[in-house]
Amino acid sequence: GQNIDQPTEMTATEGAIVQINCTYQTSGFNGLFWYQQHAGEAPTFLSYNVLDGLEEKGRFSSFLSRSKGYSYLLLKELQMKDSASYLCAVSDGDYKLSFGAGTTVTVRA
Amino acid sequence: ETGVTQTPRHLVMGMTNKKSLKCEQHLGHNAMYWYKQSAKKPLELMFVYNFKEQTENNSVPSRFSPECPNSSHLFLHLHTLQPEDSALYLCASSQEEGESYEQYFGPGTRLTVT
Repeated sequence: GQNIDQPTEMTATEGAIVQINCTYQTSGFNGLFWYQQHAGEAPTFLSYNVLDGLEEKGRFSSFLSRSKGYSYLLLKELQMKDSASYLCAVSDGDYKLSFGAGTTVTVRA
Repeated sequence: ETGVTQTPRHLVMGMTNKKSLKCEQHLGHNAMYWYKQSAKKPLELMFVYNFKEQTENNSVPSRFSPECPNSSHLFLHLHTLQPEDSALYLCASSQEEGESYEQYFGPGTRLTVT
């Protein structure tokens, strides 16, 4: 089966940086997604990595190491509106998305 | 405004009831998905439709019955559910299945089975 691990909760201060790690073991790999989900709302797409390295998109960056089965999402200059759950999802050999349980990030003033 | 809508947003039903969840996407996508999201658990893929054909049934109990009349609409028919089926049911769509396209999610239906 698929196994995707990420921390349950993280807390950080407004203006700080937070790094959310994700490790995975899946049958095949066709890319890794990060989604953001505010409470009571739909998950929204943040990033997609299929090759090793860092993808930067504004305040958010995502990194992938396929050999280590590892990714992280980096949130810089944290804002209160960044308080949400962050979901790591891996597209497996059949292009099916397997999700981690999500990391709840709380940003404090 | 989201390109994927779901109705109803909230549903309370008894174990003997029959109800249906509806999903509609306005993005011109060809693949649609049903997921179950329970508290503190990963999203669980339930069903996948690609060009109106079901391509995945992820060992879902028969009390959940999907229907995809066209590429824009997806239904989940519910009957004789159990309390453990209470969860957030999310619909998603993507350009196609079989490629690593991002999925667009609807806001979900919060289902409570009493």
